[in-house]
Amino acid sequence: DQQVKQNSPSLSVQEGRISILNCDYTNSMFDYFLWYKKYPAEGPTFLISISSIKDKNEDGRFTVFLNKSAKHLSLHIVPSQPGDSAVYFCAASARDDKIIFGKGTRLHILP
Amino acid sequence: KAGVTQTPRYLIKTRGQQVTLSCSPISGHRSVSWYQQTPGQGLQFLFEYFSETQRNKGNFPGRFSGRQFSNSRSEMNVSTLELGDSALYLCASSQVTDTQYFGPGTRLTVL
Repeated sequence: DQQVKQNSPSLSVQEGRISILNCDYTNSMFDYFLWYKKYPAEGPTFLISISSIKDKNEDGRFTVFLNKSAKHLSLHIVPSQPGDSAVYFCAASARDDKIIFGKGTRLHILP
Repeated sequence: KAGVTQTPRYLIKTRGQQVTLSCSPISGHRSVSWYQQTPGQGLQFLFEYFSETQRNKGNFPGRFSGRQFSNSRSEMNVSTLELGDSALYLCASSQVTDTQYFGPGTRLTVL
C-alpha cells in the first residue's frame, strides 16, 4: 500500500514557466513532509520541507503547499530553469517514524 | 563538513553471493538510514539505525540486514543475492531532525 503517491511519472515545462509537482498521502499521522531532488548518478538532495502546522513554506524559487484536509502537497518552482531538470521525490514521516518516499516525478525543463 | 560517503560505488555480483555495503555518515550525525532505489519502485526504506540500534525497519526479507558501529558508520549486508536485488542502494544520515542527507549510492548489479 503506497502511503505517498506521486501520480505523474514525468512532467515537461517550458523554461521560465512555473513547474508544479504534486504529491498525495494516505496516512493522517504524517506530520512532516519533504521534497528531494535527484540527478542521475547522485544521491537525492534535500530541497524544502514543511511541518503539518503550516500550509506554505517558501525558499527562493521553491514553495511547498500543504493541504491537510485533502492530504495533498505540491511543490512550485518559479521560474523553472534548465538545472531544475531532475527527478523529484516527495517524502513524509510521522514523529519518530521512518520517512516514506514517493516513486518520484521526472521533471524536464524545455528550452 | 564532508558529506555522506558510500563504498563501493559500483558492484557486480552473481546470484547466490552475498554483499556488504558501507556508509560513513556526516560527522555528528547519529542516524543512518538505508534505501533501495529501483526504476519501478522509487525509493524504498530498508532500515534505520540510531546509536547502534535498529530503530525502524522496512518490508524487506531477512536477507537484508545491517548494523551500525560506535562511530556511526553503518554497513548493509545482502545474502543469497537474487537478480531482483539489482538496484541503487542509498544511505542517508541525519542528526535528530527529519532532514536526511544522502550519499551518492552504491550501484549493485546481480548477474
